[in-house]
Amino acid sequence: AQKITQTQPGMFVQEKEAVTLDCTYDTSDQSYGLFWYKQPSSGEMIFLIYQGSYDEQNATEGRYSLNFQKARKSANLVISASQLGDSAMYFCAMRDLSGGGADGLTFGKGTHLIIQP
Amino acid sequence: DAGVTQSPTHLIKTRGQQVTLRCSPKSGHDTVSWYQQALGQGPQFIFQYYEEEERQRGNFPDRFSGHQFPNYSSELNVNALLLGDSALYLCASSLGQSRQAFFGQGTRLTVV
Repeated sequence: AQKITQTQPGMFVQEKEAVTLDCTYDTSDQSYGLFWYKQPSSGEMIFLIYQGSYDEQNATEGRYSLNFQKARKSANLVISASQLGDSAMYFCAMRDLSGGGADGLTFGKGTHLIIQP
Repeated sequence: DAGVTQSPTHLIKTRGQQVTLRCSPKSGHDTVSWYQQALGQGPQFIFQYYEEEERQRGNFPDRFSGHQFPNYSSELNVNALLLGDSALYLCASSLGQSRQAFFGQGTRLTVV
């Protein structure tokens, strides 16, 4: 069974500062994918970034980067130069890729990020 | 290009009733997954449909069932509603098993 742990229920960050959202995971699968989603108050889950378990380089997408430490089973999201529009819930998720990828995503409980002016 | 659309956006039902939620995937997508998100929690995987068949299922009772149509749209049916079924129901679509799934804005179901 897979498990995602996000230990920060909420975070307050000053605008323009960098922020790190923590995520640890547990799985016995060898091939898996790690995801980060943003959920504003409207409810839609917005895909931010993806990291495959066999990817050697940390993933980056614009202001988002994923700090992947496989031995520690950690996949932290780093947002550089935070903006007011970054205020939202952030979810870390994973999926087993070994069985053809039919498994659904397993999500953590999320971190509520609030950017202060 | 329309993204994933879900209907209705909000719904109120009484305990014991049945409900049907609808999802139209993003254009070109053939795989639809459904998730339940209780208040203050992360989404939980219900099931996934591909080629009109349920391909994978999470830990949900048989009261939760679904269907996928030839145009790839999908329905989620919940029978004998319980108060605990109150949640945001999210639909996600993808092309095959591509890494990026696109989510709709969800249907907020309230059971009273």
